[in-house]
Amino acid sequence: AQTVTQSQPEMSVQEAETVTLSCTYDTSENNYYLFWYKQPPSRQMILVIRQEAYKQQNATENRFSVNFQKAAKSFSLKISDSQLGDTAMYFCAFTPIYNFNKFYFGSGTKLNVKP
Amino acid sequence: AAGVIQSPRHLIKEKRETATLKCYPIPRHDTVYWYQQGPGQDPQFLISFYEKMQSDKGSIPDRFSAQQFSDYHSELNMSSLELGDSALYFCASSPRGSGGPQSYEQYFGPGTRLTVT
Repeated sequence: AQTVTQSQPEMSVQEAETVTLSCTYDTSENNYYLFWYKQPPSRQMILVIRQEAYKQQNATENRFSVNFQKAAKSFSLKISDSQLGDTAMYFCAFTPIYNFNKFYFGSGTKLNVKP
Repeated sequence: AAGVIQSPRHLIKEKRETATLKCYPIPRHDTVYWYQQGPGQDPQFLISFYEKMQSDKGSIPDRFSAQQFSDYHSELNMSSLELGDSALYFCASSPRGSGGPQSYEQYFGPGTRLTVT
């Protein structure tokens, strides 16, 4: 069974500072993809970043980067230079390569960026 | 760029009524997924379709059915609605047949908020 755990229900950060959101997962699969999605108050789910498990290099997208530790099954998201528009719910998601029919989501972390 | 379209955006129904939610995937996306998100919950996978065939099934009640049509749009049919069906229903699409890492990305629509009274 695949499970995704986000242990931080809520976090706060000051504007322009850096924050890291944690995600761990459990799987017996060796090949899979990991994602971070952002859900702002509008409730739209927006893809933030993708990481392929077979790649050792951590993915980056502008101010967003990940720290992927495959052995530890850890996939954290770092947001640099936080902006007010980053305020949202952030979901970590996992999909195995053999069966990319569905995402397994974590319970989410609510991030508040304060001015 | 074109996005996933869902209609209606809001729907209010009474208990025991039926509802139909529609999803129009991004052009050239061949796979559609349906998720249900209750208040304060993470999205729960319901069902998916690839090339008009059911691909996988999650925690979808027997009262619900879905299909993908020849133009790749999908409909989620919900009957005998219950109060507990009130939720945000997301449709997502992906270009599964295209191969490569992008085929694993899911692009979500804005959701349909269903309220059952």
